[in-house]
Amino acid sequence: DAGITQSPRHKVTETGTPVTLRCHQTENHRYMYWYRQDPGHGLRLIHYSYGVKDTDKGEVSDGYSVSRSKTEDFLLTLESATSSQTSVYFCAISDGGGYNEQFFGPGTRLTVL
Amino acid sequence: DQQVKQNSPSLSVQEGRISILNCDYTNSMFDYFLWYKKYPAEGPTFLISISSIKDKNEDGRFTVFLNKSAKHLSLHIVPSQPGDSAVYFCAANFGNEKLTFGTGTRLTIIP
Repeated sequence: DAGITQSPRHKVTETGTPVTLRCHQTENHRYMYWYRQDPGHGLRLIHYSYGVKDTDKGEVSDGYSVSRSKTEDFLLTLESATSSQTSVYFCAISDGGGYNEQFFGPGTRLTVL
Repeated sequence: DQQVKQNSPSLSVQEGRISILNCDYTNSMFDYFLWYKKYPAEGPTFLISISSIKDKNEDGRFTVFLNKSAKHLSLHIVPSQPGDSAVYFCAANFGNEKLTFGTGTRLTIIP
């Protein structure tokens, strides 16, 4: 299994508070991704990174920011959490290439009250 | 606009029979297609893939078929086993760094 961890695994927070989720990899993969999974929507890309300090938006990036200061760490920040951001968040990594097979972390369940 | 669609949210199959999961896509420029499997409280795991130059790829009990003219792919699992009960996502790729996922199909194998 790819070495990828997420922290925290569960979090309950209140509307308006900032939240940061961390993804850590030990595979030295170039690409890192943040997805959210919601019923009826599958996996939707929030942001991704193609190198240290290089990031780009996905299809549902509003309300989220990311940072990657080291190859192994990719942070997702909700500056002011809203109830619509209650979801399960997955980090993924890949080496790119044609198929771009991605390896996923175990997920973080976030509840915004 | 959903470019990758899985129109069946759920599917129940008897153990030992064939499971067929379907996926449709709208963009003919997709080059690669992947299937992922997800158990509750875990991240998705890669299952099998196929490139647009092929129409079939097989790996043990799992076979993926691609029909480019219909923009349709399917995953066949035979024989189905209880451990196959999971949510299955299809995904598509232009040959770049991003995947586009479908909404998933929950497969339940009945013992």
